[in-house]
Amino acid sequence: GAVVSQHPSRVICKSGTSVKIECRSLDFQATTMFWYRQFPKKSLMLMATSNEGSKATYEQGVEKDKFLINHASLTLSTLTVTSAHPEDSSFYICSAATSGRGGGTDTQYFGPGTRLTVL
Amino acid sequence: GQSLEQPSEVTAVEGAIVQINCTYQTSGFYGLSWYQQHDGGAPTFLSYNALDGLEETGRFSSFLSRSDSYGYLLLQELQMKDSASYFCAVTFEKGGGNKLTFGTGTQLKVEL
Repeated sequence: GAVVSQHPSRVICKSGTSVKIECRSLDFQATTMFWYRQFPKKSLMLMATSNEGSKATYEQGVEKDKFLINHASLTLSTLTVTSAHPEDSSFYICSAATSGRGGGTDTQYFGPGTRLTVL
Repeated sequence: GQSLEQPSEVTAVEGAIVQINCTYQTSGFYGLSWYQQHDGGAPTFLSYNALDGLEETGRFSSFLSRSDSYGYLLLQELQMKDSASYFCAVTFEKGGGNKLTFGTGTQLKVEL
């Protein structure tokens, strides 16, 4: 149980285009989903918190107009990287939080990540 | 700001025991989690401590001392497949989502 999927797993795009990444909780409902960014050999940096039916909350330094987040349902959140540039190339990972499973109320279950390369 | 420090690398032999430490300074604290991540893969939840003491889950145990802002992950009977990065993470905010801030990560190499 507690499976989170992401699509696509890899994407290569040209500079200036927009890319949409989907995050789905497959076997549970997640009222909250999180989006992270990870550079090679580095830690995960929280970008934003996404709650179903409300606007996402962005962390300091994250441009909300560049990284559009939509949490359309209890099982789906999307991250759109608008007008992507090479510096946006990174590993983007989502997670879905649920209470009362596994290690406790703070457990987040992570998707497999999306490797974005902007040429 | 948030700060979680871990050793960058640890090397151990198969069958041994290894301890990965984590010290933290965060704006809030509700619990300490540990995640494993293989290269190019998703972080996988390992363990969680909200209260002081030791939590044991199979070969993995995790310890927390809130007064010392310190925790560790203990891996026993190391196997080659345990070679991965290990991250501690603090839940620093609740309400509308339990936000995590991650440590710097420890690369564990298990050798024969």
